[in-house]
Amino acid sequence: GQSLEQPSEVTAVEGAIVQINCTYQTSGFYGLSWYQQHDGGAPTFLSYNALDGLEETGRFSSFLSRSDSYGYLLLQELQMKDSASYFCAVRERGDSNYQLIWGAGTKLIIKP
Amino acid sequence: NAGVTQTPKFRILKIGQSMTLQCTQDMNHNYMYWYRQDPGMGLKLIYYSVGAGITDKGEVPNGYNVSRSTTEDFPLRLELAAPSQTSVYFCASRPLGAGAKGQFFGPGTRLTVL
Repeated sequence: GQSLEQPSEVTAVEGAIVQINCTYQTSGFYGLSWYQQHDGGAPTFLSYNALDGLEETGRFSSFLSRSDSYGYLLLQELQMKDSASYFCAVRERGDSNYQLIWGAGTKLIIKP
Repeated sequence: NAGVTQTPKFRILKIGQSMTLQCTQDMNHNYMYWYRQDPGMGLKLIYYSVGAGITDKGEVPNGYNVSRSTTEDFPLRLELAAPSQTSVYFCASRPLGAGAKGQFFGPGTRLTVL
């Protein structure tokens, strides 16, 4: 079967660093995406990893290890506005006609 | 660009009623998707389209229908609404090309079936 595992909730302090993990088991694997969703809002795209290693975009970084079927999203210098749910999603195929398999999301709670 | 727009924002249906959720995008994207999101859960794909006139089922298509007569519009039809269809529905789009990395989402429609 297909599954993506991520923690249901993570708590961190404003200004700190937090890591949200995602492990996956899918029939195919081409890349791992991360999306942010604020309460009552729509998902917004954050990052995408197709190759092993770290991708950095401002305060957010995303890491992938294909051999371990594992990735994480790293958020630095946390701000209160980063309080949201974060979803990992696997792209199983390399052609254009791909769909995403979504995790259940991690709710990030930030305390002042 | 308005991006992806959805109407209505909220709707309450009675069991057995029907309705159409509207989705329009002005980015000339080939791919469009309908997802549902239940509380505390990830997104489940209902239907998707790779272009005008072409649609296909996703993971949870039962109870829904779609059509794609133009590049811009991708309406989702609920026939004989059931309480199990209470959810938040998101429409999304992305451009053609295997390299396109992210999907663009509309604001969602919150549907309650009583």
